[in-house]
Amino acid sequence: AQKITQTQPGMFVQEKEAVTLDCTYDTSDQSYGLFWYKQPSSGEMIFLIYQGSYDEQNATEGRYSLNFQKARKSANLVISASQLGDSAMYFCAMREGQGGGNKLTFGTGTQLKVEL
Amino acid sequence: DGGITQSPKYLFRKEGQNVTLSCEQNLNHDAMYWYRQDPGQGLRLIYYSQIVNDFQKGDIAEGYSVSREKKESFPLTVTSAQKNPTAFYLCASKMGAPNTGELFFGEGSRLTVL
Repeated sequence: AQKITQTQPGMFVQEKEAVTLDCTYDTSDQSYGLFWYKQPSSGEMIFLIYQGSYDEQNATEGRYSLNFQKARKSANLVISASQLGDSAMYFCAMREGQGGGNKLTFGTGTQLKVEL
Repeated sequence: DGGITQSPKYLFRKEGQNVTLSCEQNLNHDAMYWYRQDPGQGLRLIYYSQIVNDFQKGDIAEGYSVSREKKESFPLTVTSAQKNPTAFYLCASKMGAPNTGELFFGEGSRLTVL
């Protein structure tokens, strides 16, 4: 079974609108972390936001927020007020277990295109 | 500025040749990672190292080798045994616990086998 599932290969959104990128995960660990990264066409991976499994509040970072629904095992990324520069590939990732050297497992990504 | 430097950015190789991708970090991070990315796919873990002189295989280690002789450096060798080496390779590092586990990435190396 896939540990991280991103079901939207591509999404379009109009500038200034909000968009939600879906991510579901599968783990039997009680302690885990969820991450979202942005990958522009240049290829670098840019960290956006983090949610810990024990965090009671949804994480927010500027225009990014993470809609964390633990019982449903979903960690959707919400981008508010989309900008043209938000056009990129977005990856959801999970770290299982306590910090340290634990690995990140990535989903297959969602290609977001912001239109005028 | 602190960061991760990968070189070369683009590399072409003939079939049957080994090639080494460089990854250097000046973030004083303990853990380092190599990921492979193919078109339309996510990142897959090749090797990782949590400490100098120690490393572990990831999900797709066959045909690759690494070394970790210095904290700052984690080179990846793509050997001739790797059947499909054309891909985008990303190196990352992470500070030790306790922390969120966020990875810091380099800009990547694109390998093309001719």
